[in-house]
This record gives sequence, C-alpha cells and structure tokens, in this order.
Amino acid sequence: AQTVTQSQPEMSVQEAETVTLSCTYDTSESDYYLFWYKQPPSRQMILVIRQEAYKQQNATENRFSVNFQKAAKSFSLKISDSQLGDAAMYFCAFPSMDTGRRALTFGSGTRLQVQP
Amino acid sequence: DTGVSQDPRHKITKRGQNVTFRCDPISEHNRLYWYRQTLGQGPEFLTYFQNEAQLEKSRLLSDRFSAERPKGSFSTLEIQRTEQGDSAMYLCASTDRASNTGELFFGEGSRLTVL
Repeated sequence: AQTVTQSQPEMSVQEAETVTLSCTYDTSESDYYLFWYKQPPSRQMILVIRQEAYKQQNATENRFSVNFQKAAKSFSLKISDSQLGDAAMYFCAFPSMDTGRRALTFGSGTRLQVQP
Repeated sequence: DTGVSQDPRHKITKRGQNVTFRCDPISEHNRLYWYRQTLGQGPEFLTYFQNEAQLEKSRLLSDRFSAERPKGSFSTLEIQRTEQGDSAMYLCASTDRASNTGELFFGEGSRLTVL
C-alpha cells in the first residue's frame, strides 16, 4: 500500500516564530501532486498549498512554503510568522494508487498549537 | 453558492439502526468524494463519483455501506445495521478537477455516534 506518514502528532510554536511540519510518502510514480490541508477546530478542511512533483521549485503561498525532496520522498510544510489562527490539524496528502489515483490519501495529521 | 453542505451535522443512533447522510456539493463540481475520519486520524477515502457514476470504492466500504449520486447532483451515504465502529465524522468533498491535481472543497462533516 502506498502511504503517507506524519511522524509528529503534535507541534507547538510561539506566535511570530517559524515551525516545520514533516511528511514522508511512498510512491513508485514519477509525476504527481502533493498537498497540505488544514483543519481548524470544528471547521472544514481547506487546502493550504500544493506542489507538483515534476517542478524543481518549492511552492510558496504567503507565509506557507514547502521543502520538497523528491528523492527522499519528503514533503515538509514551513509556516513562517506563525499566527494564532494557524492553530489547527495539518494533513499531508497525495493521490496514491490505493485509490487508483482518483482520490487523496491523507496522513494521520499534526496538531499545531500556537502559543501567544 | 456557500460551499459544500452536509446534513445532518450530528446523528446519534442505536446499534443496528440505519442512517443516511446527504451531501450537496458546489453546484458546478462534477466530482464528489466521501471520506471517514475518526478522532485524531486523517480522513480515509470511502468512495468517489464523477457525475452520477461511482468510479471508485475503498475496501473500507463494506456491504453495509451504500452511496448514490442520482442525476450527478447531491449524494447520499447510507449505513445499514450500524455498529459502534461506524462512529466517526463522515466528510464530503467536491471538485471540478481531478483530485490528483486539483483542490478538494470539503463540507463540515456529519458526525455519527452509534450507541
């Protein structure tokens, strides 16, 4: 089975500091997309950032950026200048063969706490 | 359009009862997904529709689960003879592009508690 692994169940960061959430995945594919989703408490999940595997350049969306290491199958999320509103569950996801590449397979998530 | 809506938001039922959840996707989205999320875990894929066709089903979707999307609009997920292990949040998501490239838009979920 193709898997997504998030090894940090919980992380904590001070407001205005930087935090990095880790994700590794397993695939034999060469061309795919990777995603980070955010799930705030009692609210719906939303897309944070997306990376195309064939692109060398790491994706950036405002304070959110990724460190994509294709050979290592690593896809970490960096949040700069952390804000209280960043507190949420963060899920790494990619379209694994387990779903026929038709749907996303999600990791188990990292709960991010932001301390004022 | 206010996004993906799910109904009911919460459902408490007794073991052995049948339950049905409804999902109304964003109107122009032709692709619809159901996921199940247990406490502290990531969403697990259940099934996928493109228009009215159910194109993919997870091994998690036992014969007690059935999903439909008549006319390619709203979708229903029915669980028959519920078991305590079915207690979870059931999430619906939609998109107008393949999820392996595009963004999924999620509803707030339907939380099921089986007593």
